[in-house]
Amino acid sequence: GEDVEQSLFLSVREGDSSVINCTYTDSSSTYLYWYKQEPGAGLQLLTYIFSNMDMKQDQRLTVLLNKKDKHLSLRIADTQTGDSAIYFCAAKRDLSGGYQKVTFGTGTKLQVIP
Amino acid sequence: DSGVTQTPKHLITATGQRVTLRCSPRSGDLSVYWYQQSLDQGLQFLIQYYNGEERAKGNILERFSAQQFPDLHSELNLSSLELGDSALYFCASSVLGGTGELFFGEGSRLTVL
Repeated sequence: GEDVEQSLFLSVREGDSSVINCTYTDSSSTYLYWYKQEPGAGLQLLTYIFSNMDMKQDQRLTVLLNKKDKHLSLRIADTQTGDSAIYFCAAKRDLSGGYQKVTFGTGTKLQVIP
Repeated sequence: DSGVTQTPKHLITATGQRVTLRCSPRSGDLSVYWYQQSLDQGLQFLIQYYNGEERAKGNILERFSAQQFPDLHSELNLSSLELGDSALYFCASSVLGGTGELFFGEGSRLTVL
């Protein structure tokens, strides 16, 4: 079955870069996502990458996809205290009839030290 | 604001009781998903509905059930509650196809005492 794995915790100093890693098992995944969950809130989509892309950059965020190794990473440049949150990696698989299945990782808690 | 509304935001109840969590999807979204977030188990997929029909089932206990109504809102029913059912329950909605982005509500925090 589909599985998405992430490390549970990452601590960085304010101003440094953060790199959150994710591996997934389903080679049929069409889109891969990064969601952010701030304390007491729901998940919010940060960015996504289509499976035929290697990299996507969006302001301070860079997503790298290694499809061969099924490895996804999220780099946050110049990490700020406001970036402290849980980051979820997710993979989408298309099913018959136009439906989809989205599998989430366990989430990586990012702690930014001032 | 994602456009997905969940009620209640907080709920405290006793073991053995039954509760109903409600979700209104974003306007125009036909798909609704339910997820459970526990402290030690991350985000677990429970069930998905599309336009009133069940489309996919995850790790949903037999004590739990859900449905999606003609107006597209959805309810998750949790019965014979146990201490271990204490968690955040999220509802998400999406359109079919495209990027498949899920829009999440703010969750319903259930505490079973």
